[in-house]
This record gives sequence, structure tokens and C-alpha cells, in this order.
Amino acid sequence: ELKVEQNPLFLSMQEGKNYTIYCNYSTTSDRLYWYRQDPGKSLESLFVLLSNGAVKQEGRLMASLDTKARLSTLHITAAVHDLSATYFCAVPNSGGSNYKLTFGKGTLLTVNP
Amino acid sequence: NAGVTQTPKFQVLKTGQSMTLQCAQDMNHEYMSWYRQDPGMGLRLIHYSVGAGITDQGEVPNGYNVSRSTTEDFPLRLLSAAPSQTSVYFCASSYPDTLGTQYFGPGTRLLVL
Repeated sequence: ELKVEQNPLFLSMQEGKNYTIYCNYSTTSDRLYWYRQDPGKSLESLFVLLSNGAVKQEGRLMASLDTKARLSTLHITAAVHDLSATYFCAVPNSGGSNYKLTFGKGTLLTVNP
Repeated sequence: NAGVTQTPKFQVLKTGQSMTLQCAQDMNHEYMSWYRQDPGMGLRLIHYSVGAGITDQGEVPNGYNVSRSTTEDFPLRLLSAAPSQTSVYFCASSYPDTLGTQYFGPGTRLLVL
């Protein structure tokens, strides 16, 4: 059974600081997804990581994937208040079928002035 | 394109009542899925479909039925609502392509008394 673990689950940061969110998963997968959810809203796709060593960056967020370690990281650089949200990683079940995702429990990020 | 739409946005049911949560997408996506989101649990897959006429169970299917008669629509039926089904329900759709990004609807917030 695929398990996806995120840590930390809660993260309070000061503006301007850097931090990393970790996503570990238990079975082999060649892809991983990161989503953002604002309070009371739906999920928005941030990154799709398709292979070992993949790195994607958008603005102050950078995501990477190490399939051998079964680990993905979401790095936040010089945090700003607008990044406050819940971040989820998700891994496909069953050999990469993207319609069956297992999600981590999410990391609630709060960026304080 | 409207993307993925869900109705209703909010619903209150009494224990034992039945109802259908509607989901539609106008992106001609083959894959559609239903998830429920509970505090501290991330998203969990209820049912999914890989095309019209084809559905299967996810992680937490008990108490829910689905059918898919068209590519566009994927309704979720609660047969006899229970307080444990109080949750936020998200519908998602995707292509079976390399990226496989799932696009999520706005969600339905369900309260079962």
C-alpha cells in the first residue's frame, strides 16, 4: 500500500526566510505532483515532476524529485505572505496512473510579517 | 472553458437521506475521480473512472456509488447519509497524457446531521 508522508505538517515562517517541505513516499513512482490549497478553496496544480532529478521552479518555490530516495522537496525562498496556504504532494498509485493519486496530509504554511 | 464544475456548493442532510453530488467537465478528459477531504487527512480517493461506462473503487468507497454514462459527467451518490460522511468533496479530471495533471473542481461541503 502506497503511503505518502509530508513534514512538517505545520510551518510558521517569517517573511524573507527560507524553508523546505519534505514529501516521502513508500513505493516506486516516476512522478509526483505538488498542489496548493488556499483556505476554503480548491486545489491548484503547482508542479509536475516526471523523472529522477527533475527540478521545477516558479517564483519563490522550487520543487525537486529523487525517485531513488523516494523523496521530493518543496523549497521556499524569501517567503512572502502570499505564499500562506496548504501544500500537498501526491503520488500516483498503480504504476503511474494519474487518476489514482495518494495525497500527503498537507503542510499548512503561515508566513508572518 | 468552465473547467470542472460541482453542484451544490454546500448541502445539509439528515442521517439516512440520500443525495447526488454533481460533477461535470468540459475539457474532454477521459479520467475523472472523486476525493473527500477531512481535517488532517489530506485527500482520499473514493471512486474513479477511466472513461464512459468504466468505474472502479478507490480507498474509501463504502457508502458511495458512481456511474459514468458520458465523458462529461461523473455524479457521486450517497445512498444513506451518515455523520461520518460529513466532509468536503472534490471532483477532479485529467488526460491520460505524460503530465497527467488532475484539475479539481471547487468542491462541495457536506454536513450530515
